[in-house]
Amino acid sequence: DVKVTQSSRYLVKRTGEKVFLECVQDMDHENMFWYRQDPGLGLRLIYFSYDVKMKEKGDIPEGYSVSREKKERFSLILESASTNQTSMYLCASSPPASGGDEQFFGPGTRLTVL
Amino acid sequence: GQSLEQPSEVTAVEGAIVQINCTYQTSGFYGLSWYQQHDGGAPTFLSYNALDGLEETGRFSSFLSRSDSYGYLLLQELQMKDSASYFCAVRDWGKLSFGAGTTVTVRA
Repeated sequence: DVKVTQSSRYLVKRTGEKVFLECVQDMDHENMFWYRQDPGLGLRLIYFSYDVKMKEKGDIPEGYSVSREKKERFSLILESASTNQTSMYLCASSPPASGGDEQFFGPGTRLTVL
Repeated sequence: GQSLEQPSEVTAVEGAIVQINCTYQTSGFYGLSWYQQHDGGAPTFLSYNALDGLEETGRFSSFLSRSDSYGYLLLQELQMKDSASYFCAVRDWGKLSFGAGTTVTVRA
């Protein structure tokens, strides 16, 4: 079974802090994605990556950056956390054959910025 | 950009059939996917349609009409465990754009 893990289920940070959200997948998938999920808005893509050291902006990249130094690990960075970044953050991965259609999601990190 | 519309809520009784419609406007289109998410859980993949027509997977079926920019997910023989949120998602090149989700509540 594909397993996608995220470093924390719940996280509380203060405004202005630098925040790191880690995601690890164990199935050698090339593609990895970061989303945020807010009530009534569905899942919105922040950044994605097709290979190590590659990254592409999604629909809402402002205020975020990412790092992919190893194939299995994709990190989301909030350079200076703000209250409007309070949200559920979901990481996903997919193999290249699926072209990003079937994505496997981690359990999510609920981030609260005070 | 992408725009997807689906109903926000649907309620039905056990054993019933529910159809969740999804209309989309996209700049590029490779296919339509459906995901299920139980409360507090991660989204899980249900189906994918790249071509027009109906795809059946057990009690769930998904339909696509590319000319109408329309698809639906059909849930048959509803069970209590089907209570969840369902998202349609459009694939444009390598990324997915998701709808806001439909909350399905199954009553006994």
